Amino acid sequence: NAGVTQTPKFRILKIGQSMTLQCTQDMNHNYMYWYRQDPGMGLKLIYYSVGAGITDKGEVPNGYNVSRSTTEDFPLRLELAAPSQTSVYFCASSSGLPRETQYFGPGTRLLVL
Amino acid sequence: AQSVTQLGSHVSVSEGALVLLRCNYSSSVPPYLFWYVQYPNQGLQLLLKYTSAATLVKGINGFEAEFKKSETSFHLTKPSAHMSDAAEYFCAVSVSTGANSKLTFGKGITLSVRP
Repeated sequence: NAGVTQTPKFRILKIGQSMTLQCTQDMNHNYMYWYRQDPGMGLKLIYYSVGAGITDKGEVPNGYNVSRSTTEDFPLRLELAAPSQTSVYFCASSSGLPRETQYFGPGTRLLVL
Repeated sequence: AQSVTQLGSHVSVSEGALVLLRCNYSSSVPPYLFWYVQYPNQGLQLLLKYTSAATLVKGINGFEAEFKKSETSFHLTKPSAHMSDAAEYFCAVSVSTGANSKLTFGKGITLSVRP
């Protein structure tokens, strides 16, 4: 039982490049989330999904896209990378009930130069 | 909308001293409250959570928190700090307002433990 896995662990992008951050969970959770973490700012929700084929915007969705074709996978796409997207990205999953724990992946550190 | 306030960004204690990390929340409906811990270069893991049962909640590694509705607080405590407690701690709130469940995080507090 691996929980939530994320790849890559670290990536350097040039301005204008694109990339996909991968996230996979093996807990059969319906809900999945993408957050970004910036120093002193806590975690901000980028996008979330309540099941395969259903996604919705979070607090800071601009510059990102997501898709959810399976229960297990929830990739985050960065188009036209900008320095403001330098951050640590975390994927999480849960059963969806408000009282239930969200389980987090180890994170992807992204540097845009 | 719900929100969380964690005052201060850094707390430093001596090994063996009391740890107190403060969290206040704002919510128009009964909240569920969480404390997550993040060790260096790792993801977040649950420390403890309040889900409207007992107001005093015990978590992993000797931490506990008390839900006080009158003070809208959910402060995290540990009687005796250990070096391994050095990490960043996040308070978060979730409410039941329909089909979608989302966590709102505070800005986090970094705990340092001095030998």
